[in-house]
Amino acid sequence: QVTLKESGPGILQPSQTLSLTCTFSGFSLSTYGMGVGWIRQPSGKGLEWLANIWWDDDKYYNPSLKNRLTISKDTSNNQAFLKITNVDTADTATYYCARSLTGSSDYWGQGVMVTVSS
Amino acid sequence: DIQMTQSPASLSASLGETVTIECLASEDIYSNLAWYQQKPGKSPQLLIYDASSLQDGVPSRFSGSESGTQYSLEINSLQSEDAATYFCQQHHDYPPTFGGGTKLELK
Repeated sequence: QVTLKESGPGILQPSQTLSLTCTFSGFSLSTYGMGVGWIRQPSGKGLEWLANIWWDDDKYYNPSLKNRLTISKDTSNNQAFLKITNVDTADTATYYCARSLTGSSDYWGQGVMVTVSS
Repeated sequence: DIQMTQSPASLSASLGETVTIECLASEDIYSNLAWYQQKPGKSPQLLIYDASSLQDGVPSRFSGSESGTQYSLEINSLQSEDAATYFCQQHHDYPPTFGGGTKLELK
């Protein structure tokens, strides 16, 4: 059974760094073809893809945020991470991690709400 | 970035009806398209991948098709549990991009 669960700070202040963790089970990020991605959704709005990391440590970022994003993984502990530097109110959203196999995301976490506020 | 223009933004339909949601890609995405369903307060769920392949466990009343750069999601015999927002996503090229969403309301 594949499950993913996001965790994060809940609330942080502008200019701080947002650190998110995705803890998953039921698959391994060392398996050929496996990937984990991060997607966010402001309340009542659409979905925005942020970054992907693959089994071979290949990484891809959304160019609109690339300089602020860092994705990484800990294969031994079945975790993936996302850091977003210099946050502002526009980064307030629900953040999801999801498993990627062929490009689509077949399993999603429940999401974690992040609020940026002074 | 590849733009995904999704229509309609919202629609209302009755139980048992058939509805179609469309996504127009700004360039050829070679069937690298997924459809997701999202219910309020829940995470998106994969319905269709590779434009027309049904994800395991998804009812067969959901189907996907394509014609050129136009992709469609058809839902037959609408059920009450189909009330949700539907998104398309292309994953042919980075960054993967989503359509704006279609909110389906059941009358």
